[in-house]
Amino acid sequence: QKEVEQNSGPLSVPEGAIASLNCTYSDRGSQSFFWYRQYSGKSPELIMSIYSNGDKEDGRFTAQLNKASQYVSLLIRDSQPSDSATYLCAAYNNNDMRFGAGTRLTVKP
Amino acid sequence: EAGVAQSPRYKIIEKRQSVAFWCNPISGHATLYWYQQILGQGPKLLIQFQNNGVVDDSQLPKDRFSAERLKGVDSTLKIQPAKLEDSAVYLCASSLTLTANEQFFGPGTRLTVL
Repeated sequence: QKEVEQNSGPLSVPEGAIASLNCTYSDRGSQSFFWYRQYSGKSPELIMSIYSNGDKEDGRFTAQLNKASQYVSLLIRDSQPSDSATYLCAAYNNNDMRFGAGTRLTVKP
Repeated sequence: EAGVAQSPRYKIIEKRQSVAFWCNPISGHATLYWYQQILGQGPKLLIQFQNNGVVDDSQLPKDRFSAERLKGVDSTLKIQPAKLEDSAVYLCASSLTLTANEQFFGPGTRLTVL
């Protein structure tokens, strides 16, 4: 069974802090990895994609991938209350996209 | 650039009735996906199309669900007959191609089966 696991949270951080979101996946053949943000009652919004080991930075977001450990993470620097949402991790392999259940992040002013 | 369009946004039906959802992907996107998202869970891929051909439908409950993308653009997902456990949000997404697979989601259709 191909699984993507995330801590469901809630993860609570103060405004301005770094939020760290983690994800593990079971399918070693996974090639592409994605982080989506989903506000309550809304559809997922793509915020980051990562395809190779290491870090990828985009503004306040940094995605990290370690294929040997089958681990993906997302760091959000200078967290804002508007970052409060559920963050979904997804892994893609051979026409199969698997999502985790998401981690709920709350950023407190 | 217009995003993925879906309709209706909400639908309430009774069990054993049928329902259909419509999706129009981002212009130029060859690949279209239908997902089911049950409350508290991540989206589950039901079927994906490359142009008008099915790439994968291994997780589609084919005894009651069907989908088509006849002209390679719009797509329709149908449930007949609906069960209580089909209550979920049905999300349509599209990507440029199968390999350029950053997927962009539409607003979804929230289905309630009574």
